[in-house]
Amino acid sequence: GIQVEQSPPDLILQEGANSTLRCNFSDSVNNLQWFHQNPWGQLINLFYIPSGTKQNGRLSATTVATERYSLLYISSSQTTDSGVYFCAVEAGTYKYIFGTGTRLKVLA
Amino acid sequence: DAGVTQSPTHLIKTRGQQVTLRCSPKSGHDTVSWYQQALGQGPQFIFQYYEEEERQRGNFPDRFSGHQFPNYSSELNVNALLLGDSALYLCASSWQNTEAFFGQGTRLTVV
Repeated sequence: GIQVEQSPPDLILQEGANSTLRCNFSDSVNNLQWFHQNPWGQLINLFYIPSGTKQNGRLSATTVATERYSLLYISSSQTTDSGVYFCAVEAGTYKYIFGTGTRLKVLA
Repeated sequence: DAGVTQSPTHLIKTRGQQVTLRCSPKSGHDTVSWYQQALGQGPQFIFQYYEEEERQRGNFPDRFSGHQFPNYSSELNVNALLLGDSALYLCASSWQNTEAFFGQGTRLTVV
């Protein structure tokens, strides 16, 4: 089955810093999403981005489907950005496969 | 729009018991999927329901079963609970097989 790898696994930033999270996948995908999981476990939709580039405030994402990777950019990070970021892909099997996540901690 | 709602939010069960978790999808969505998330790991796909049928199943034993009702809501049933079934159970809904939206989860503890 399709493999999803995220890097880095852990990231500590000072408030105001920028960061880039990466998601590599091993096969063509139909759907790709980025989520932020808050401390209470809720998965919050950030981007639905099987290809192309999108922006939403301080966050933006780019998926290069032909090269099988996606990037999530966080600019001017805030303490509320802390949590786990997941990339999830669906490759025609109706199930999303999640990466292992990037654990982000933003220090005040 | 209420989004995806799950109940209960927390649950404690004893080994060997059975449990039923419930999910109401986001308005306009017709597809419901269930995921299990163990501590420190990413969510793992259990199964997906569409048109009241199980359309796809992950690598979970038959102790895990489900149902989808005509109003698209869904239940996840787990029989003969094991300690290893302790996890956060997440429900996701989507229209057809596009962007998935997740509920807040049910945290199950088996003692």
